[in-house]
Parts: sequence; C-alpha cells; structure tokens
Amino acid sequence: DAGITQSPRHKVTETGTPVTLRCHQTENHRYMYWYRQDPGHGLRLIHYSYGVKDTDKGEVSDGYSVSRSKTEDFLLTLESATSSQTSVYFCAIRAGTGLNTEAFFGQGTRLTVV
Amino acid sequence: DAKTTQPNSMESNEEEPVHLPCNHSTISGTDYIHWYRQLPSQGPEYVIHGLTSNVNNRMASLAIAEDRKSSTLILHRATLRDAAVYYCILLLSNFGNEKLTFGTGTRLTIIP
Repeated sequence: DAGITQSPRHKVTETGTPVTLRCHQTENHRYMYWYRQDPGHGLRLIHYSYGVKDTDKGEVSDGYSVSRSKTEDFLLTLESATSSQTSVYFCAIRAGTGLNTEAFFGQGTRLTVV
Repeated sequence: DAKTTQPNSMESNEEEPVHLPCNHSTISGTDYIHWYRQLPSQGPEYVIHGLTSNVNNRMASLAIAEDRKSSTLILHRATLRDAAVYYCILLLSNFGNEKLTFGTGTRLTIIP
C-alpha cells in the first residue's frame, strides 16, 4: 500500500469552530490533493499542491484553506466549520513525474459539523 | 477543463466481460486517460491509464479510440468484488500543474 495516512479518521465538531485535517505521506511524492465526497456524489477537488508552499484551488475551494510547509504533510483547514462542510474528505498523492503516474488515495476522514 | 461523460449505472453478470464506456470529446493531445474505482466505504483505487495505445494490466484493459475522443475499460471476467463506482478521468496539465478532477462515474452492479 502507498504510504498515505489521513488523520483524524473521524471527527465531530461544532459550527463555527476551526478544524484541521492532516494528510501525511512517506513516498516523497510531489502532488497532493484534497477532495470531498458527499452522499451519492463523486469526488470534488478542493485544493491541490504541486510542491512545498505551492498550492492551487480546485472546484470547491470556498471556505477551505491549505498549507504545505514540508513535502510529507498537506493540511486542510476549515476556518469556521459549517454544516454544509459535513462530508467525507479524501487525500491523494501522485509522484508527479509526468501525467503518466497514478494517484493513491487515503482511507478518508469523516467530518460531521453539528 | 476537459470533461468526461459516463453512463450513471451498468449491470453485468458474474464471470462475464464488462465494457465500461467513457466519452471525452474535448481531450487534448497530451491528456492522459485514467480510470479509478471506488469500492463501498473506501477511497478510490487506481485501475489503469493510457495515452494513445491500448493498455493491459492485471486488473483490466483499456481500449482507446483512434481519435481519442472515447475509451472503454474492459473487465475480462467480472466478479462480485468488482462491484464499485468506476471513474474515467482526464489528467491534464494546467500550466505545468496537474489537476486530477473526477466526474460522476458509473456504478457497476454485478449480478450473481
């Protein structure tokens, strides 16, 4: 299995509180991605990173920020959580040595905002 | 961004071949076609990818049309464990930054 770990795996938080999800890799891969998946839907890209301190927005970036201060960690922060951010969040990594490389996904973080 | 179109759902009998279609009429010359699948309550997993030529691996085969506007994922002998949502994705370079954007996928049901 690819060395990718998401933490926490489950979290319940209250509306208005800040929340940070962590994606950690041991593969030294260049690309890291954050997605959210809501019931009955596919994965929607939130933010992605193409290197340390290099990030870009995805399809649904409003209300989310990210940081990547070192290769192995990609943090997703909800500055003030809302109920609409209740979702399952997936992180993915890719070697990024060209488009000819596959992605590996974490097991997901289930976030509930009450 | 280039988009893909897949049927929402398909059914197949166990131990028979399955052909999952994908249309990507706006594909660019350098976009790679990737397929992933997501089993219930799990993260997506890589299945196969290709650029122009047909590709085979231990999980599946990928047949790419000559004009690259469509492709077909082939599971040669479906098992119950192949029941999943299958995503066809174009991996494209966005000014050197490589976005991996999913569509809605095809939910494959295997009938015993």
